[in-house]
Amino acid sequence: DAKTTQPPSMDCAEGRAANLPCNHSTISGNEYVYWYRQIHSQGPQYIIHGLKNNETNEMASLIITEDRKSSTLILPHATLRDTAVYYCIVRVDPGGTSYGKLTFGQGTILTVHP
Amino acid sequence: GAVVSQHPSRVICKSGTSVKIECRSLDFQATTMFWYRQFPKQSLMLMATSNEGSKATYEQGVEKDKFLINHASLTLSTLTVTSAHPEDSSFYICSAGTVGNTIYFGEGSWLTVV
Repeated sequence: DAKTTQPPSMDCAEGRAANLPCNHSTISGNEYVYWYRQIHSQGPQYIIHGLKNNETNEMASLIITEDRKSSTLILPHATLRDTAVYYCIVRVDPGGTSYGKLTFGQGTILTVHP
Repeated sequence: GAVVSQHPSRVICKSGTSVKIECRSLDFQATTMFWYRQFPKQSLMLMATSNEGSKATYEQGVEKDKFLINHASLTLSTLTVTSAHPEDSSFYICSAGTVGNTIYFGEGSWLTVV
């Protein structure tokens, strides 16, 4: 699976947009970009995923560059409850023998302050 | 999103005993389940992948005889830590998914071996 690089930490003011970058320069054509977050002492929460098109759901937007070597997760109006560790993960399209497992890196600690 | 439930959320056991953690997919049938371990201030480490009705595939360095995984049905997987020792104390997290679909995580189980 391709490796991802994220900044170790970021700050954001409450009510402002939080833009979390992720570098995945070795991504392959059959690999998706997934974002999860983990609030302290809880299991990871799914946020969003995409292959090459930008995606939006009720939680966030995912912007993937045209060459697919990087992406940005956007939380449009961050709240204090969005403080968490955010993981950007490249996942092989599951099937055959791959199982599509998720390999976690160190993630980005996002702190939203008042 | 789909619901994955773990039980117990916290367990304390004596050194040398075995402890079982259950992982259930509540509103979908999970063809694949994954077990992770997370030590304080570290990222999640994948332990094993299991498909319903077949033997689990363990990651390198994970002792299959110590961490017994059973995936007997499409909604239940269990992790048994055998002959637990204090160094096995950790946060254990399961996740579940179906082929081609998103993986969802349980709430996690804290194991303390005394």
